[in-house]
Amino acid sequence: NAGVTQTPKFRILKIGQSMTLQCTQDMNHNYMYWYRQDPGMGLKLIYYSVGAGITDKGEVPNGYNVSRSTTEDFPLRLELAAPSQTSVYFCASSFPGLAGVLEFFGPGTRLTVL
Amino acid sequence: GNSVTQMEGPVTLSEEAFLTINCTYTATGYPSLFWYVQYPGEGLQLLLKATKADDKGSNKGFEATYRKETTSFHLEKGSVQVSDSAVYFCALSDSDNDMRFGAGTRLTVKP
Repeated sequence: NAGVTQTPKFRILKIGQSMTLQCTQDMNHNYMYWYRQDPGMGLKLIYYSVGAGITDKGEVPNGYNVSRSTTEDFPLRLELAAPSQTSVYFCASSFPGLAGVLEFFGPGTRLTVL
Repeated sequence: GNSVTQMEGPVTLSEEAFLTINCTYTATGYPSLFWYVQYPGEGLQLLLKATKADDKGSNKGFEATYRKETTSFHLEKGSVQVSDSAVYFCALSDSDNDMRFGAGTRLTVKP
């Protein structure tokens, strides 16, 4: 198993550009999550999904969109990039239950918006 | 709402020293508690967990006890190694989609 994979690893965007961060897992997990990690801060939940076709907002969803057309993939879309979206983005997945034990994180995407 | 507060870093120790990283939480229900470790350039890895009061989570020489009376989940290790240098996050969750993380504590272990 490859676990949770994310692409790209690094990206620099100009203000107003758009991009999609890709996340794929091969463990047949129902639950998938997107977090952002700002310097010196813990992770904050952007969006999550409990299964294909079902998504919901987390703590900081503004400026982002997601879709979940398959169990494996959970892309995160930035439509109009802003400097406040400069962060490291982590995708995670899990089976449901036991209060969302997040055991599998991707390696992260470091995004800079200039 | 639920929240986690952990001691500010950075923490610098010599090899074989004793480690404690403090973590306290605020929660309305009965959350599960976790410690994650993040090595440079990598994603978070689950280090240990405890799901109810007085449970002790342990892994790789690290341990933490769920203390409901003091709302704490302090991370300890008796003898740290250089390879333990990383950022450690305390977290809690009482549902499948509401995991709250602390700000992280950077640990550096010197030979």
